Amino acid sequence: DVKVTQSSRYLVKRTGEKVFLECVQDMDHENMFWYRQDPGLGLRLIYFSYDVKMKEKGDIPEGYSVSREKKERFSLILESASTNQTSMYLCASSLNVASGTPTDTQYFGPGTRLTVL
Amino acid sequence: EDKVVQSPLSLVVHEGDTVTLNCSYEVTNFRSLLWYKQEKKAPTFLFMLTSSGIEKKSGRLSSILDKKELSSILNITATQTGDSAIYLCAPYSGNTGKLIFGQGTTLQVKP
Repeated sequence: DVKVTQSSRYLVKRTGEKVFLECVQDMDHENMFWYRQDPGLGLRLIYFSYDVKMKEKGDIPEGYSVSREKKERFSLILESASTNQTSMYLCASSLNVASGTPTDTQYFGPGTRLTVL
Repeated sequence: EDKVVQSPLSLVVHEGDTVTLNCSYEVTNFRSLLWYKQEKKAPTFLFMLTSSGIEKKSGRLSSILDKKELSSILNITATQTGDSAIYLCAPYSGNTGKLIFGQGTTLQVKP
């Protein structure tokens, strides 16, 4: 059973603070993703990673960075949080095509609702 | 540019009704389309569709893909209050390796 966990369910930070959101998956998935979800805008991809130490920009990377030092862990970093980064953040993981099984299905963590004051 | 449109954006029905949710897409190098259900927290996987015309079924839920029309539908029969959720459609782009999410359809089922 795939399990994706995120470090916090709810987080409140102040403008200008550095914020770390952690995501861990226990299924040895190569691919990991960070999304934000806002009403009326759906899920938007921030960054993704196909392998350790590898990262790719998604559709809205501005104001964010990521770190993938270990296969199971993918961190999202807000260098200087701003009020427009108040959102629900969702992490997901999936298998790599090289593993020989369908890779398109992404499994999601429970989400972190971040409020920036 | 990749695009996904879901309709309706929201829907209110009564228990026992049947609903049809629509998803239209324009995606480069389309490979598959996924449906997710999202209640209070994380989206949970429902279906992955890769071939046109083949219905996938799970209990009261079913879905079908039409590659010619670049669309998919999700049907829910005999709806229950537990079906209340946001339903997300996400085609997968083979070019970018990304799921492209629609805005979602918010379904509310009243007792």
